[in-house]
Amino acid sequence: DAKTTQPNSMESNEEEPVHLPCNHSTISGTDYIHWYRQLPSQGPEYVIHGLTSNVNNRMASLAIAEDRKSSTLILHRATLRDAAVYYCILTSGGSNYKLTFGKGTLLTVNP
Amino acid sequence: GAGVSQSPSNKVTEKGKDVELRCDPISGHTALYWYRQSLGQGLEFLIYFQGNSAPDKSGLPSDRFSAERTGGSVSTLTIQRTQQEDSAVYLCASSLEVREKLFFGSGTQLSVL
Repeated sequence: DAKTTQPNSMESNEEEPVHLPCNHSTISGTDYIHWYRQLPSQGPEYVIHGLTSNVNNRMASLAIAEDRKSSTLILHRATLRDAAVYYCILTSGGSNYKLTFGKGTLLTVNP
Repeated sequence: GAGVSQSPSNKVTEKGKDVELRCDPISGHTALYWYRQSLGQGLEFLIYFQGNSAPDKSGLPSDRFSAERTGGSVSTLTIQRTQQEDSAVYLCASSLEVREKLFFGSGTQLSVL
């Protein structure tokens, strides 16, 4: 399975944008890029996903590099409730079958 | 509507006892997944159910672990003769089908003393 690499932790200030990077240099043409986040004491929560084009939804934006070897999750205005572990995951053909969650990026948001 | 429900939320048991963990997926979701998360670690895939197909049990760590899904809805994960290394948060997720986003429950925190 193609692997992703994320920083262990990042810090942001409230109401500022946050850019969470993910490297996936061995991504294949049919791999989708998914982001989930896990708030303290909760199960993971879907954030966004994409294949080639940049994507926007009410939670975040996903910017995908032209060569697809990296992507960035963008939180436009961080809030304290965005403090969580963010996971970048590749899914083969978009299938959720046997998703591999790494250790993700722990985002701390300062008031 | 209701999300994925897991029970109990916390379970403390003695080494060697059997435990059953329950998952109620979102109604209509055909795919159901069990994951395990040990302290400070990522999620570890355990088992996957899709409709009436045979489940993929390839992630179960030993034959002490088993799971079933009755009527295509509720699922039970059973751990026999629990060991201390079984202590973890057990997470259940469901999706409308395998290509749709996962919805996770809040998990069952299992502590084996």
